Formats: sequence, structure tokens, C-alpha cells
Amino acid sequence: EVVLTQSPATLSLSPGERATLSCRASQSVSIYLGWYQQKPGQAPRLLIYDASNRATGIPARFSGSGSGTDFTLTISSLEPEDFAVYYCQQRTKWPLTFGHGTRLEIK
Amino acid sequence: EVQLVESGGGLVQPGGSLTLSCAASGFSISAYWMSWVRQAPGKGLEWVANMKEDGVGKYYVDSVKGRFTISRDDAKNSLYLQMNSLRAEDTAVYYCACDYIPNYFDYWGQGALVTVSS
Repeated sequence: EVVLTQSPATLSLSPGERATLSCRASQSVSIYLGWYQQKPGQAPRLLIYDASNRATGIPARFSGSGSGTDFTLTISSLEPEDFAVYYCQQRTKWPLTFGHGTRLEIK
Repeated sequence: EVQLVESGGGLVQPGGSLTLSCAASGFSISAYWMSWVRQAPGKGLEWVANMKEDGVGKYYVDSVKGRFTISRDDAKNSLYLQMNSLRAEDTAVYYCACDYIPNYFDYWGQGALVTVSS
């Protein structure tokens, strides 16, 4: 099973700041990694797929990078609605797996 | 507009059975991979099962193999998850999802809560 380790567990920032979230895979997943945002009481939303492609309707302030085992989600300038939990997910190997999440909170 | 609506959640005793349904609208489920993803209370996301668009390929996380079955009814444009031999650790919100991009979860339902408790 591919284990995805997200860091930090919690990130405290202010609106307007830049957020950098990390996801490390226990083995190479090539580029087949996605990122999701989940707000309390809501279903997750796909932000990024295949490491760097924004999903439909996702603002340009969200960007993804990486390949192999190390991936990054960057939010260039935080908006109030961006404070949420973020998960990474790989689709290279069965079972499909998620990271444990990074909580992005308002400082 | 793509919409997924789950139903069938509830309280069930350990060892019991439950079937979740997911009614889709705005697209045909037979054209896409479809998935179930769950989230235990206060915990992260766990992929449970998915089905290829051909209706033949079905995949499961090890913890549910032999107990859960994913299926669909194309005429009703609905996805199902039959859950047998339920355990306390199956307690979670179960989401139905459409994989517009195979094995990513592009569209989600609102979730159905399954509680396994005596």
C-alpha cells in the first residue's frame, strides 16, 4: 500500500499569505497524485489532479507540483474561504490511498 | 448539472447488513468510473470501492473485500453499495463519487451516515 504522509498536520496563516502544503509518498506514484479541499460538514472537492492540473472551476491561486515521491500544493494568496482541511490522494497503485490531511487554520 | 444523492444510511447492529444507493443526474454513470469513499467521524478519507465504466472491473480496499459489493443499475442511473457483516469500524459517512478522471473523485454526493452499533 502506498502511504501518503502530509505535513504539516496544521498550518496557521493569515489571509493574503502564501500556503505551502507537502505530501510525501512511500514509493513513487509518478505524477498520479491529486489534492482535495474539505470544509466542515461538506464533501471534499477535487482541486488538482495528476500533480499539477487544476480541476474544473478551481481558481488560479491553487497550484500543484512534484513527481515521484514529493508533492506540493501551493495557495499563492490565501482567501478567507481557503481555510479548510486538504488531502492528497494517489491513483498509481491499488488500493487508492489518501494522506491524513493538513488543517489550514486562520492565524 | 451533475448531482449525486446518497440514501440508505442508518443505524445497524454489528453483523448486520445495509445497502446504500446513489442516484445520479446530469450524466450517465455507465460512461464513467464510479466510487465509494468513506470518512469515519472526525477522521480522514478512505477509498472503499470503485467500478470501471465497463461494469465489470470492480475494486475494493482489503478491509471490505468479501463483505461489500459495488453494483449499478444503468436504467435507474444509480450506484449501490451492499454492505454485509458490518463492524463497528465501518461506522462512517459514505460518499458516492464520480471519477470523471479515472480514480480521482471529481464529483461527490452529500454523504450518507452509517452507524454500526448495538
